[in-house]
Amino acid sequence: DGGITQSPKYLFRKEGQNVTLSCEQNLNHDAMYWYRQDPGQGLRLIYYSQIVNDFQKGDIAEGYSVSREKKESFPLTVTSAQKNPTAFYLCASSPYRSGANVLTFGAGSRLTVL
Amino acid sequence: AQKITQTQPGMFVQEKEAVTLDCTYDTSDPSYGLFWYKQPSSGEMIFLIYQGSYDQQNATEGRYSLNFQKARKSANLVISASQLGDSAMYFCAMREENTDKLIFGTGTRLQVFP
Repeated sequence: DGGITQSPKYLFRKEGQNVTLSCEQNLNHDAMYWYRQDPGQGLRLIYYSQIVNDFQKGDIAEGYSVSREKKESFPLTVTSAQKNPTAFYLCASSPYRSGANVLTFGAGSRLTVL
Repeated sequence: AQKITQTQPGMFVQEKEAVTLDCTYDTSDPSYGLFWYKQPSSGEMIFLIYQGSYDQQNATEGRYSLNFQKARKSANLVISASQLGDSAMYFCAMREENTDKLIFGTGTRLQVFP
């Protein structure tokens, strides 16, 4: 079945440590996105990528980094520079410039900083 | 800058009744798309319905319809014949043609009671 796989589902990190969240899709979508969700709030865009080897900052990119070396993969690194990293992280993908460009989401990764 | 506003943090509706979830938006781009997503307690985001800025008719998908009032910049979601399984968070989102970013509102928590 086509879809988006995020791992790990739950992750605990000590302060000062970098952590990488994985996002893989087999939908042959060009565009991929990372969102952050805090309790009781909407989704905020961290980074997005429309093609391989290219990506753009979203609204809250500080303290995060990404890479897009392969079409199907878009990992997100939460660095020690991110002041409040505890949150629910959602990865999504969509066809690029194709009709409604509906996003397909992964199941999310919940990061807790101890 | 684009902006999405959902003014109802929580809504209650009795099973089998209809409910309207409000969404207003702000953009200077003449070409944009409006989306509604559902987020159950499990966390995944489920696409419900899409409305393009140039669409003449209001979008409908089964029990979901979008009341699109372009002059008022509103895109309210109407759920008819509510079911217990409709209890979830609902997010309105907008994508502008020139940015390709999907921006979300803060969401409305809908609770359906018997």
